[in-house]
Amino acid sequence: SQQGEEDPQALSIQEGENATMNCSYKTSINNLQWYRQNSGRGLVHLILIRSNEREKHSGRLRVTLDTSKKSSSLLITASRAADTASYFCATDHNNAGNMLTFGGGTRLMVKP
Amino acid sequence: EAGVAQSPRYKIIEKRQSVAFWCNPISGHATLYWYQQILGQGPKLLIQFQNNGVVDDSQLPKDRFSAERLKGVDSTLKIQPAKLEDSAVYLCASSTSSDRRGGETQYFGPGTRLLVL
Repeated sequence: SQQGEEDPQALSIQEGENATMNCSYKTSINNLQWYRQNSGRGLVHLILIRSNEREKHSGRLRVTLDTSKKSSSLLITASRAADTASYFCATDHNNAGNMLTFGGGTRLMVKP
Repeated sequence: EAGVAQSPRYKIIEKRQSVAFWCNPISGHATLYWYQQILGQGPKLLIQFQNNGVVDDSQLPKDRFSAERLKGVDSTLKIQPAKLEDSAVYLCASSTSSDRRGGETQYFGPGTRLLVL
């Protein structure tokens, strides 16, 4: 079964707007990562946040983590048409090494 | 640096036939993963190798799926016999190591899209 649940399942916005995607998980984690998948392609790592961190930034990406609520959010600012893709959160758990459990993903469409 | 290579990119077979997928990880990456991604869902880990040893295969349907990484580099994933529900994209990924604390970036190949008729 999948650990994370992304919300919303699909999101459509205009270029220049911000996009926010949420991820909830069920069990305690060591780390949470976000990946992007373009249609018909493999996944690309975007950003990692550790369980003792609350917020991280990378370019136009901002990730928050609330371990008390077992949730994370990914914010993409000033979106571009090239950001159109599916976004997945993935978690790894205590003493489970690098085994990742992925959520179901958010399909983002950015209209030019 | 060359990425993770997978072949074939597409495969169509009939149910009860067998199929094999090949993966060549990034040079020097000790850890290799196989995932199954059903349409509309996130990837599900099937098996994880550290060098040529299996770290976890708890979600691999062992009655029909098998995987090996004999020399600790390339890997093959086999399905025999295939069922309709095996239609999916099979993704291979690699990372530099498998630290118990996790947090390693996984680098994914383009995947093999399998259709079972």
